[in-house]
Amino acid sequence: AQSVTQLDSHVSVSEGTPVLLRCNYSSSYSPSLFWYVQHPNKGLQLLLKYTSAATLVKGINGFEAEFKKSETSFHLTKPSAHMSDAAEYFCVVSVRGNTPLVFGKGTRLSVIA
Amino acid sequence: NAGVMQNPRHLVRRRGQEARLRCSPMKGHSHVYWYRQLPEEGLKFMVYLQKENIIDESGMPKERFSAEFPKEGPSILRIQQVVRGDSAAYFCASTPNGGSSVDTGELFFGEGSRLTVL
Repeated sequence: AQSVTQLDSHVSVSEGTPVLLRCNYSSSYSPSLFWYVQHPNKGLQLLLKYTSAATLVKGINGFEAEFKKSETSFHLTKPSAHMSDAAEYFCVVSVRGNTPLVFGKGTRLSVIA
Repeated sequence: NAGVMQNPRHLVRRRGQEARLRCSPMKGHSHVYWYRQLPEEGLKFMVYLQKENIIDESGMPKERFSAEFPKEGPSILRIQQVVRGDSAAYFCASTPNGGSSVDTGELFFGEGSRLTVL
C-alpha cells in the first residue's frame, strides 16, 4: 500500500524568501507523485507531477520538486514566496494503473509581508 | 469550457435528514471521483464511477452513503440520515480516461460542497 507523510502541518515564510514544503512517501511500486494546491474555499489545482521521467520537476507559478528515491522524498520548493502562494498544499501518491490517489494531510503555507 | 461543477456549494442539514450533492464533470469527461475532506485532514477517496457503473467504492462507508452516475445528468452523492460526523467538504473530480489518471497526471476538481450537519 502507498502512503504520504507531509512533515509540517503549517509553514510560515516572509515574502521574497524561499519556500520548502516537505513530503515523504511510501510505495511498494514505482510511484507517481503530485503536488496540488488548494486556495481557501476553492477546489484543488495541480502544481506539478512526477511520473518516472526527470527527477527534477518544474510546475506552475515557479514551484518545483525533486524526486529522491534514496530518501523517499518529494519536497516542494520555490525560490521566492509571493503573497498569492498562501494556500494549502497537498502531496499525493499513486501507483500506475491503480486508483485512487492517496493524499497527504496537507501543509498550510502562510506568507508574511 | 466549464470546469467541474458542484452544487450546492453549501448545504446545511439537521441530524436525520438526507443530503444530496451533485457533480457535473468537465465536458468530455466520463469518469468521476468523490473525495471527502474533514477539517485539518487531507482528502479521502470515497468512490470512483463511470457512466452507469461504480468502478471502486472501497472508500465509501458501508451504511447511509450511496453514489450514482446515470447515463444522463450529474453524478450524485447521497447521504441518508446524516449525523454530525458527516460534516465535511465533499469534492468531486473528473478525468477523461478514468483509472489510468496517472497517465494524464491530473484529476480536475470542482470547488467542493460543504455540508454542515446541525
